[in-house]
Amino acid sequence: DTAVSQTPKYLVTQMGNDKSIKCEQNLGHDTMYWYKQDSKKFLKIMFSYNNKELIINETVPNRFSPKSPDKAHLNLHINSLELGDSAVYFCASSQDRSAGGSTDTQYFGPGTRLTVL
Amino acid sequence: KQEVTQIPAALSVPEGENLVLNCSFTDSAIYNLQWFRQDPGKGLTSLLLIQSSQREQTSGRLNASLDKSSGRSTLYIAASQPGDSATYLCAPRGGNKLVFGAGTILRVKS
Repeated sequence: DTAVSQTPKYLVTQMGNDKSIKCEQNLGHDTMYWYKQDSKKFLKIMFSYNNKELIINETVPNRFSPKSPDKAHLNLHINSLELGDSAVYFCASSQDRSAGGSTDTQYFGPGTRLTVL
Repeated sequence: KQEVTQIPAALSVPEGENLVLNCSFTDSAIYNLQWFRQDPGKGLTSLLLIQSSQREQTSGRLNASLDKSSGRSTLYIAASQPGDSATYLCAPRGGNKLVFGAGTILRVKS
């Protein structure tokens, strides 16, 4: 069974469109994350949710909006897509957000490669 | 602001060699540090998590050390194998988030 899954795996779309990426984890974790990996391979955190509550919101354009319907799901909606949004987006989860514990290990999904034309 | 540097950027070695990957970070106020591997076109796989109070953590042929005060961590891979070929990323955690380095691309030749 896949621990952290994302759909779709690939997403090709035109500038100006609105799209969503879905993430689900079956690990029973409390915290979920969205990361962006750009063409230079740098991974940067975008958002983090703990039990449906937003706890990290990095400097990300307002066009990006995370939605957590329950603690097993964290979806990412992107409005008015731009060329610079092309990247691989990774979802991750960890058992809780308390820093320093052994439950802090983050588990990543396979990624969604977004290409904006 | 935490900045993470990984050296070398790329490494190519023959099978069987022992090797060391280096990670340095600018802010020593971290809770822990995680090492990941990333295979091409795939997600990240957690290898080791080392707590700020620990000096070392071992898993199989992998050993990670942490010197928090000097802002350094090393990942030691013993008896490297072609299956170890991947990008290795270190990520110290401060506050609620991980900050990633650019990674070391490792190629182990058979």
